[in-house]
Amino acid sequence: GNSVTQMEGPVTLSEEAFLTINCTYTATGYPSLFWYVQYPGEGLQLLLKATKADDKGSNKGFEATYRKETTSFHLEKGSVQVSDSAVYFCALSDQASGGSYIPTFGRGTSLIVHP
Amino acid sequence: SQTIHQWPATLVQPVGSPLSLECTVEGTSNPNLYWYRQAAGRGLQLLFYSVGIGQISSEVPQNLSASRPQDRQFILSSKKLLLSDSGFYLCAWSDGRGISNEKLFFGSGTQLSVL
Repeated sequence: GNSVTQMEGPVTLSEEAFLTINCTYTATGYPSLFWYVQYPGEGLQLLLKATKADDKGSNKGFEATYRKETTSFHLEKGSVQVSDSAVYFCALSDQASGGSYIPTFGRGTSLIVHP
Repeated sequence: SQTIHQWPATLVQPVGSPLSLECTVEGTSNPNLYWYRQAAGRGLQLLFYSVGIGQISSEVPQNLSASRPQDRQFILSSKKLLLSDSGFYLCAWSDGRGISNEKLFFGSGTQLSVL
């Protein structure tokens, strides 16, 4: 079956530090890959996505590249801010039985950024 | 524009009591609908998804059930809550166009505490 593995958190950084959150996946098909972000007390919202190998998704200074050869989709940001403190979820979307695409999420990685 | 409403925001229920959480989507038709649970430190678990009225797929066998009485209404229920049902419940929808890069739109969640 499909699965997504993220690095354990929390990740604690100082403001302006470089961020990497690792994500690897297992899929039976050729999935699309996503990063979602969850701010405290809220639902998840899409941060970025990539639909095929070597695609780079980017948004708000965050980037992730779809690496098929290593089945990875690591999230990076060059300079984090306190406002980036949140839980980050890696996810894939692959075709389930019946033709629907059902998203599978990782366990989430908490990011804490200190001033 | 599309919006998703989920209520209540917080709920405290005794063990053995019933549960009903409601989610409605506006501004779209025939969406795919999802219920996820986020238990403390355990990531996001898909509970149910629906691709149409009356069509419910269960991912995890448990004492919860879901119903979709109308196109844009998704209800999560239980006849008797367990302590282990405590968690943050998220409703979500997607366009349901059957493509892999569909993103999910999440509600703001319900924090359920079973005491």
